[in-house]
Amino acid sequence: DGGITQSPKYLFRKEGQNVTLSCEQNLNHDAMYWYRQDPGQGLRLIYYSQIVNDFQKGDIAEGYSVSREKKESFPLTVTSAQKNPTAFYLCASSIGADEQFFGPGTRLTVL
Amino acid sequence: SQQGEEDPQALSIQEGENATMNCSYKTSINNLQWYRQNSGRGLVHLILIRSNEREKHSGRLRVTLDTSKKSSSLLITASRAADTASYFCAPISNFGNEKLTFGTGTRLTIIP
Repeated sequence: DGGITQSPKYLFRKEGQNVTLSCEQNLNHDAMYWYRQDPGQGLRLIYYSQIVNDFQKGDIAEGYSVSREKKESFPLTVTSAQKNPTAFYLCASSIGADEQFFGPGTRLTVL
Repeated sequence: SQQGEEDPQALSIQEGENATMNCSYKTSINNLQWYRQNSGRGLVHLILIRSNEREKHSGRLRVTLDTSKKSSSLLITASRAADTASYFCAPISNFGNEKLTFGTGTRLTIIP
């Protein structure tokens, strides 16, 4: 059963803490992406990776970090430098420029 | 990457009616994709139309593309309550850039 999974579904962070969001895919896709969505808004690209051990900044990378050590996994760390991290985070994967497959999302709330 | 702009921002129609939403973009494209997002969920890919295609169908969905006007439209026929969602377009440029950029979408509400 192929797909893309994200965990946890809900995440709470205290101010000053780093948290890591998980994204795993078994679709054998080379490219993976992280997006942020604020209420009533579209998606904004945080980071993307087109191949293992390589990744690029998106439009709003400040305060975030990623790694791509395995093809299947693309974790996102929200650092304490991200001043307004409360949002809905979506991970996606694709083959080239065709359709992207999205995970169910992680809702992060700062307490 | 370029961002598509969806219009209208919100649309409410009676169940059974057709819903049309539009997307405009600025530069030449390789393809344009439409996605649906139910509240609190991830996006689901609906349809991809390539720059050399003018119209494409998938079930109750019909997408048109006018590259001279740099616009696309998504038509949902015989709408159902389950079609209530936000719809986003994502134009992919010709410059070898594979990133999708999303606008704020069209929020479609189907009234039973």
